[in-house]
Amino acid sequence: QEQLVESGGGVVQPGRSLRLSCRASGFPFSDYVLHWVRQAPGKGLKWVALIGYKRNDKDYADSVKGRFTTSRDTSKNTVYLEMNSLRVEDTGIYYCARDNRMDVWGQGTTVTVSS
Amino acid sequence: SYVLTQPPAVSVAPGQTARITCGGNNIGSKNVQWFQQKPGQAPVLVVYDDSGRPSGIPERFSGSNSGNTATLTISRVEVGDEADYYCQVWDNSRDPWVFGGGTKLCVL
Repeated sequence: QEQLVESGGGVVQPGRSLRLSCRASGFPFSDYVLHWVRQAPGKGLKWVALIGYKRNDKDYADSVKGRFTTSRDTSKNTVYLEMNSLRVEDTGIYYCARDNRMDVWGQGTTVTVSS
Repeated sequence: SYVLTQPPAVSVAPGQTARITCGGNNIGSKNVQWFQQKPGQAPVLVVYDDSGRPSGIPERFSGSNSGNTATLTISRVEVGDEADYYCQVWDNSRDPWVFGGGTKLCVL
C-alpha cells in the first residue's frame, strides 16, 4: 500500500525551529518528487516546497524561502522539512504529497506557532 | 504569480450534476489537477492532467479545460460527495505550484 506518514508537528514559539518528517512506504521512494503543502486553520491549500530526485533539485514558496529547507534521506525513505524563524502565519497542517500530480498524500501533521 | 479563481460554494441536489469552475489566464494551456477534501481528512486527487481519473475514483468525476476556465463535473451527485474541491496547476513563475481558493460543494 502506497503511503506517506508525516510527523514532528507541535506547538512552538515565534522565532523557534521545528523539523517535520515524511516517511514513505509501498513505492520506490527514489523515483518520485515529493511536495510539502500546508493548510492554515479554516483556509485553503498552499504549496510550500518540493524536493526532486536529486538532492539539489529543490524549490520553495516565496513566503518560506530562506527560512525552510527540505532534504531527503533515501536510506530511510524519508523527506524532511526544517523550519526556522517560525512565524505565527506558519501555523497549520503540513502535508507531504507524492509526485507532481500529488496523487498520494499523508494524513498531515499540525504546527502551531504561538507565544 | 499565477492566480486561480473558484466560486466559494456550489449547491446541488442529490442525483443532479455539479459543475465546479476554476478560472485562470489561458488555463487551457496548462494541466489541471482537482482534489477533494472532506472535513478532517487529507486531500484526495480526483482528476489529473485536465481529465484523467486515478484508479478508484468513480466515473462520475470528470474534468475539462479550455480557454480561461477548467471545470470539474460530478454526475449523479451523492451525499458523500459533499466536500471542498481545489484546482491546481503548475506555472513557470514565483510560487509555481498554485492552488485555487477552494469550492465547498453542498449537497442539499
